[in-house]
Amino acid sequence: SQTIHQWPATLVQPVGSPLSLECTVEGTSNPNLYWYRQAAGRGLQLLFYSVGIGQISSEVPQNLSASRPQDRQFILSSKKLLLSDSGFYLCAWTFGRGQETQYFGPGTRLLVL
Amino acid sequence: SQKIEQNSEALNIQEGKTATLTCNYTNYSPAYLQWYRQDPGRGPVFLLLIRENEKEKRKERLKVTFDTTLKQSLFHITASQPADSATYLCAPFLTGTASKLTFGTGTRLQVTL
Repeated sequence: SQTIHQWPATLVQPVGSPLSLECTVEGTSNPNLYWYRQAAGRGLQLLFYSVGIGQISSEVPQNLSASRPQDRQFILSSKKLLLSDSGFYLCAWTFGRGQETQYFGPGTRLLVL
Repeated sequence: SQKIEQNSEALNIQEGKTATLTCNYTNYSPAYLQWYRQDPGRGPVFLLLIRENEKEKRKERLKVTFDTTLKQSLFHITASQPADSATYLCAPFLTGTASKLTFGTGTRLQVTL
């Protein structure tokens, strides 16, 4: 069976500090991978998605970036965090190839102070 | 522009009653639509998928309808239980949008004894 991991679970960072959130998927190959952000009381905002190694599509211009160095690894980064980057970050995967049910990780709660 | 609307106000319902949640979309012609459940501090979990050529889909106490003329999906939980209390998200999918789902903001359901 497939599992998805995210870490850390919780993070408190000062404004201007860097960020690195990691997501890994086990039990499948060539998944489509997604990063979402959910602000308090708000919906899911798609940030990035990837259909393969090194292939990243950005949905919203901002100071975040994503990378996919390995087939089942997806990393969300920032060089300098802003207060507005606070939120709940979710990684998700799909089988791709038209099977679009999304499987979400446990999430990382980020608080920028 | 494309828009998904779910009732932002919480739905309070008594145990044993049927809960009905609404998802309206505009400027969309989704090939299918999904419903997810999200508990506080957790990632969404897939519940049901209904395709554009299906009027109704059932799974245990859950029922989803899809009216492409009204551009609306209804999500029903029969014999609701306190454990059904959560936020429910709808997510229409457009073919040709590079495997992207767009999520509504969700409706919070509270089932009381």
